[in-house]
Amino acid sequence: NAGVTQTPKFQVLKTGQSMTLQCAQDMNHEYMSWYRQDPGMGLRLIHYSVGAGITDQGEVPNGYNVSRSTTEDFPLRLLSAAPSQTSVYFCASSYSRQMNYGYTFGSGTRLTVV
Amino acid sequence: GNSVTQMEGPVTLSEEAFLTINCTYTATGYPSLFWYVQYPGEGLQLLLKATKADDKGSNKGFEATYRKETTSFHLEKGSVQVSDSAVYFCALSPYGSSNTGKLIFGQGTTLQVKP
Repeated sequence: NAGVTQTPKFQVLKTGQSMTLQCAQDMNHEYMSWYRQDPGMGLRLIHYSVGAGITDQGEVPNGYNVSRSTTEDFPLRLLSAAPSQTSVYFCASSYSRQMNYGYTFGSGTRLTVV
Repeated sequence: GNSVTQMEGPVTLSEEAFLTINCTYTATGYPSLFWYVQYPGEGLQLLLKATKADDKGSNKGFEATYRKETTSFHLEKGSVQVSDSAVYFCALSPYGSSNTGKLIFGQGTTLQVKP
């Protein structure tokens, strides 16, 4: 039972480069989301999806794109990396948007943009 | 709007001391409330939750009671261990039509327990 799998665990990018952070879950969860974690700011929601083919913006969506072509996968794309996107990124999933079951989190991707 | 405020950290305690981490929230209606724990180098794990007023969530010796009258969900443990050293996040899930599955997190409180 793998849960939520994120790759890569670490990444260094140069300003202006693009990349995709991968997220996959094997629990048939309907709801998936991406958060970024910055010191002293808790976790902030970037984008979320309530099911395959449906995505929406969270609190801090600028500079990021997402798609949800399957229930299992929810990749996060950085279009043109900026130093302000240096952060730890977490993917999370839940059985439903009702949140009664809470979230299952991946182990995170630590991204540094230089 | 919806928000969560946690006490400032870091909190440093000796082993077997009593722990309280304060959490207050602002929300309409009756949100669900959660505590998550993040151990070094890992993702967040659900510690406990409460979905209605006066509910008490508990797990691994930790407890928190949903207090609607004081809009609080303080985390407590009677006797902490070194292995409890981690970052603790309070979070809420908005109620009803505004519930799109988002969780709103506090800024996190770092707990360090010394032997």
